[in-house]
Amino acid sequence: NAGVTQTPKFRILKIGQSMTLQCTQDMNHNYMYWYRQDPGMGLKLIYYSVGAGITDKGEVPNGYNVSRSTTEDFPLRLELAAPSQTSVYFCASSSPGPLGEKLFFGSGTQLSVL
Amino acid sequence: GESVGLHLPTLSVQEGDNSIINCAYSNSASDYFIWYKQESGKGPQFIIDIRSNMDKRQGQRVTVLLNKTVKHLSLQIAATQPGDSAVYFCADPTSGTYKYIFGTGTRLKVLA
Repeated sequence: NAGVTQTPKFRILKIGQSMTLQCTQDMNHNYMYWYRQDPGMGLKLIYYSVGAGITDKGEVPNGYNVSRSTTEDFPLRLELAAPSQTSVYFCASSSPGPLGEKLFFGSGTQLSVL
Repeated sequence: GESVGLHLPTLSVQEGDNSIINCAYSNSASDYFIWYKQESGKGPQFIIDIRSNMDKRQGQRVTVLLNKTVKHLSLQIAATQPGDSAVYFCADPTSGTYKYIFGTGTRLKVLA
């Protein structure tokens, strides 16, 4: 199993550009999440999904959009990039059940908006 | 709102010593906590978890203690090694409006 795979690893955008951060998992997890992590800070939840076709806003959703057409994929879309979106983005997945809700994280996408 | 926080942003420990990382939570109804380790340039990884019906849980070189009376948990790392250098997060997957609440994290620096 590859686990949670994120692409790209690094990206530089100009203000106003758009891009999609890709996330895919091969663990058949129902729950998927997008977090951002600013330097020296903790993780802030952007969006999450509890299954295909179902998404909901997290703590900091402004400026982002998501979709969940399949169990495996959960892309994050930035429509009009702003410097405030410079951050490291992590995708995660989990499968709630008797073993608990451990999150499995991808390796992150480092995004700079200049 | 509910929160999960950490007392110290940075902890420096001599190699071979024991490390203790603390975490406070505010939701008395929380019944499950998880510790994650994040190494530089990587995503967080699960270390150990504990449920509210336990006061202590041990793993390999790590122990988590839960004090429900004062809403506090701690992660103890025995014989700290250079590979333990990372940021450690406690998380409460059951509190708050959103699925997961993470603390700011404690950066553990292991001194040679």
